[in-house]
Amino acid sequence: QVQLQESGPGLVKPSQTLSLSCSVSGGSINSGTYYWSWVRQPAGKGLEWIGRIHSSGRSDYNPSLKSRVTMSLDTSNNQFSLNLISLTAADTALYFCTRAPIASNYGWFGPWGQGILVTVSS
Amino acid sequence: DIQMTQSPSSVSASVGDRVTITCRASQGISNWLAWYQQKPGKAPKLLIYGVFSLQSGVPSRFSGSGSGTDFTLTISSLQPEDFATYYCQQANSFPPTFGQGTKVEVK
Repeated sequence: QVQLQESGPGLVKPSQTLSLSCSVSGGSINSGTYYWSWVRQPAGKGLEWIGRIHSSGRSDYNPSLKSRVTMSLDTSNNQFSLNLISLTAADTALYFCTRAPIASNYGWFGPWGQGILVTVSS
Repeated sequence: DIQMTQSPSSVSASVGDRVTITCRASQGISNWLAWYQQKPGKAPKLLIYGVFSLQSGVPSRFSGSGSGTDFTLTISSLQPEDFATYYCQQANSFPPTFGQGTKVEVK
């Protein structure tokens, strides 16, 4: 059974860069069958899809964040990562990693990591 | 972006009640619709995908219906573990988007 686990800093200063990793166990990110995604959720609010990456190297980002987002794969460690630059308080949120089958078009997501709370504050 | 609008925003119900949540897309999304359950402080859990298909391990009291722009999640007999927030999500168009959520509360 595939499990995902986010890691990274819980507190980042405004204007700095957020770097998160998602470790995948029970399955290979190289399988090609899935897109690997990040989704975030500000406290008390809804879910926002950030972007996705495939083992082929293809990545797609939400246009609302595209200028600030980069995703990458670390196949040797079976991880994928999110970089988000120029942070503001509006980026404070619970960040989840998840996966979606490539057959699900733009994706239905599951399973999910437990989430990591990121606060942007000086 | 396709806007997903859920109604109601919250519903108060008792154990054993039938609960129905509606999701409307701002344009047609064919059958590219999923439903999630989220409990406080936890990750969302995929319940239903492709409008009707139950994710493995999800109880059969959950069901989905609809097509085009209007979709429904039904819980046939609410159980104590079902009090949570439910989200719909479209996978038809880029970027994928979620509804604002419907909170199922204890009456």
